[in-house]
Amino acid sequence: QVQLVQSGAEVKKPGASVKVSCKASGYTFIDHYIHWVRQAPGQGLEWMGIINTGGGSTNYAQKIQGRVTLRRDTSTSTVYMELSSLRSEDTAVYYCARDATRDAYNADWYFDLWGRGTLVTVSS
Amino acid sequence: DIVLTQSPATLSVSPGERVTLSCRASQSVGSNLAWYQQKPGQAPRLLISGASTRATDIAARFSGSGSGTDFTLTISSLQSEDFAVYYCQHYNGWPLFGPGTKVNIK
Repeated sequence: QVQLVQSGAEVKKPGASVKVSCKASGYTFIDHYIHWVRQAPGQGLEWMGIINTGGGSTNYAQKIQGRVTLRRDTSTSTVYMELSSLRSEDTAVYYCARDATRDAYNADWYFDLWGRGTLVTVSS
Repeated sequence: DIVLTQSPATLSVSPGERVTLSCRASQSVGSNLAWYQQKPGQAPRLLISGASTRATDIAARFSGSGSGTDFTLTISSLQSEDFAVYYCQHYNGWPLFGPGTKVNIK
């Protein structure tokens, strides 16, 4: 079954870091880039970043660059998103999403498969 | 930066009605536009890419049109399972989502 399975909900204090995992299955991991998108409660969708699952190169949204890091482990077909210096406004559901293009070297920058989301709550 | 505007913000519709949702870009994005459907508590689902290409397993009642700055998602006959929020997203550069249109039951 083609799917992205994310890790469970997290509660963190302001200033802490959080690491969310996204395990891919049912397809060749390195054939698709993976993106991260977040959604604050009752709000819209915000793209955060992209990782080339083969080579590991990344690009991040300017708004959170410097606080977000994407890594991948090809041996387990897993992508990790780490967000540091957490603030209350980082409270959101974090989604990993597969780039629609089956190409290890290019991305199309839209998303054909989504994980179910991981709620990260930042609260003192 | 490109800004996406969706209208209306909310739409109340009866089952069986035809629905037209609008997405407007502040500058041309060519045909690099996708539409997603999101139901409460669920992840978004890709409906349309390339402004008009239905994604795999998407019902034929969903159609997309437009290019440049003006785009439309049409649901030809709204079904009960179509009540949701619909987002457009451009990918002509860094991806950006519109604010969404919520389709409610009338």
